[in-house]
Amino acid sequence: AQSVTQPDIHITVSEGASLELRCNYSYGATPYLFWYVQSPGQGLQLLLKYFSGDTLVQGIKGFEAEFKRSQSSFNLRKPSVHWSDAAEYFCAVGTYSGGGADGLTFGKGTHLIIQP
Amino acid sequence: EPEVTQTPSHQVTQMGQEVILRCVPISNHLYFYWYRQILGQKVEFLVSFYNNEISEKSEIFDDQFSVERPDGSNFTLKIRSTKLEDSAMYFCASMETANQPQHFGDGTRLSIL
Repeated sequence: AQSVTQPDIHITVSEGASLELRCNYSYGATPYLFWYVQSPGQGLQLLLKYFSGDTLVQGIKGFEAEFKRSQSSFNLRKPSVHWSDAAEYFCAVGTYSGGGADGLTFGKGTHLIIQP
Repeated sequence: EPEVTQTPSHQVTQMGQEVILRCVPISNHLYFYWYRQILGQKVEFLVSFYNNEISEKSEIFDDQFSVERPDGSNFTLKIRSTKLEDSAMYFCASMETANQPQHFGDGTRLSIL
């Protein structure tokens, strides 16, 4: 069974500084990888996805992530954070079998705090 | 942009009562999902639904849970006899086709008293 590890429960970053959120996964084959963001009281919004091809993927709101097969990682980055980026960030892995789409497996999330 | 809609946003129910959570997926989507998130914990998969039947379910999705797509637009999750530990945020998601991302609704907060 697949699993996702987000080693940082909380991260505090100054506004305008760069950001990297870590995500490691465990899965026997190449997974489909996602980053979602959750603002307080809101649902999960898709930031970006990796299915295949270029290992550096661009998402919304200036985020990007890089898939590194050798490290089983899919870290999320942003060169300059804004106060509105404060939220909970979830990494997720998806698998597709038999033409159907299995449920996503989520990490425990990283709570991002932005300091003025 | 089309979105997944969930109602109600907050449901309070007495323990032992039945509850139905409702979702309207994005109209051209074919795959439907329910997840839950207990306060302070990660999002957990419950069930997936495709072609009018369950395609996968987790250990959490026991006989107390059922899903239904009663018409062409709604997708419901029923809990027959609620327990205190069912208190959580429940998210519905839909996906257009395989190899596409899932789109989530804003969730229903279920509180069991």
